[in-house]
Amino acid sequence: GAVVSQHPSWVICKSGTSVKIECRSLDFQATTMFWYRQFPKQSLMLMATSNEGSKATYEQGVEKDKFLINHASLTLSTLTVTSAHPEDSSFYICSAQTGLGQPQHFGDGTRLSIL
Amino acid sequence: QKEVEQNSGPLSVPEGAIASLNCTYSDRGSQSFFWYRQYSGKSPELIMSIYSNGDKEDGRFTAQLNKASQYVSLLIRDSQPSDSATYLCAVGRMDSSYKLIFGSGTRLLVRP
Repeated sequence: GAVVSQHPSWVICKSGTSVKIECRSLDFQATTMFWYRQFPKQSLMLMATSNEGSKATYEQGVEKDKFLINHASLTLSTLTVTSAHPEDSSFYICSAQTGLGQPQHFGDGTRLSIL
Repeated sequence: QKEVEQNSGPLSVPEGAIASLNCTYSDRGSQSFFWYRQYSGKSPELIMSIYSNGDKEDGRFTAQLNKASQYVSLLIRDSQPSDSATYLCAVGRMDSSYKLIFGSGTRLLVRP
């Protein structure tokens, strides 16, 4: 149980392109979903928290106009990296949670490379 | 002081030994505690949850929680080379924020 699917797993695109990443909870309803970014050999960095039907809460320093998050249903959240540049290249990981105090279940991550 | 602290390692143990990973946290209101394993280049995978003081065992893994001392540990018995990974400690509350606070992880290396 508690399977989270994330697509695509790998994206290479040109600078200036917008990229959408999907995160789905397959066998449970997620009250809250999270988006993380991780650079090589560094810690997970929380970018934003999203609840179904409401605006995402972004962490300090994360540009909400650049990283658009939509949480349309209890099983789907999307992250769109708008006008991506090489410095946005990273490993993006989503997670989903069923409620307060519950564990987060992670997707397999999306490796984004901007040329 | 970081909210969740872990020794970055690497912690090197021989195959078959017990690996002991430790984590301390600063928020006394924390009520939920998790251990995740992250292989290089992969996303974190939940291996243990613990909510009450004491020990919780699951196969070769034992999580230990001491809220008075604000630490949580993970013991891995009969360590295998396949256990070599970074282990992340995560701490949460059940009364407010949904966020989990993650430590920066301890890298474990199990030598064959």
